[in-house]
Amino acid sequence: GAVVSQHPSWVICKSGTSVKIECRSLDFQATTMFWYRQFPKQSLMLMATSNEGSKATYEQGVEKDKFLINHASLTLSTLTVTSAHPEDSSFYICSARDPIGEDTIYFGEGSWLTVV
Amino acid sequence: AQTVTQSQPEMSVQEAETVTLSCTYDTSESDYYLFWYKQPPSRQMILVIRQEAYKQQNATENRFSVNFQKAAKSFSLKISDSQLGDAAMYFCAYRSAYSGGGADGLTFGKGTHLIIQP
Repeated sequence: GAVVSQHPSWVICKSGTSVKIECRSLDFQATTMFWYRQFPKQSLMLMATSNEGSKATYEQGVEKDKFLINHASLTLSTLTVTSAHPEDSSFYICSARDPIGEDTIYFGEGSWLTVV
Repeated sequence: AQTVTQSQPEMSVQEAETVTLSCTYDTSESDYYLFWYKQPPSRQMILVIRQEAYKQQNATENRFSVNFQKAAKSFSLKISDSQLGDAAMYFCAYRSAYSGGGADGLTFGKGTHLIIQP
């Protein structure tokens, strides 16, 4: 099946710094990518929808200036957590939509972010 | 806005037995998709089964089947012949069939932790 790769799997950063997470669709062109956040023992919460070449659509309550999303190509979307704080520590998962065929959404492996 | 409700935080089943996980949803849309995802300790989201709302026939994937009741907005997952590898968090999810404006994103339930007793 199709593969979505997310990098890095683990990252630790200091408070106040920025960190970037990449999401790549390896064998299909993803017109739309999605970013989710998952706190321990909780469900996935959609943060934003990213369309190639246009601005991301953020869910209510998600700070667009804090969580910068760039979808510069059909195979790559990035999430940058700016001025990170310990409360930003979480598991971040991306997914990508393959519009061809069954219009399936594939998930990346996720990235653990710890802000110290 | 759509909501997905999973009323069973945890379920336990004996190996080789059958278990049913419940899911209800609320929507005003007529066309949509429903999914069950499995999330093992690795945290990788694995698609278990998918149902298109316009299809009356319940989806089936090997030991996994759903009971889709559109009028009741119910979408339960039945796992037959439970195996130790089925132990995981199971999430029910909704996706609109209408594109644009963030409507493509999945709305997840809170999940059900499935325990398989050997």
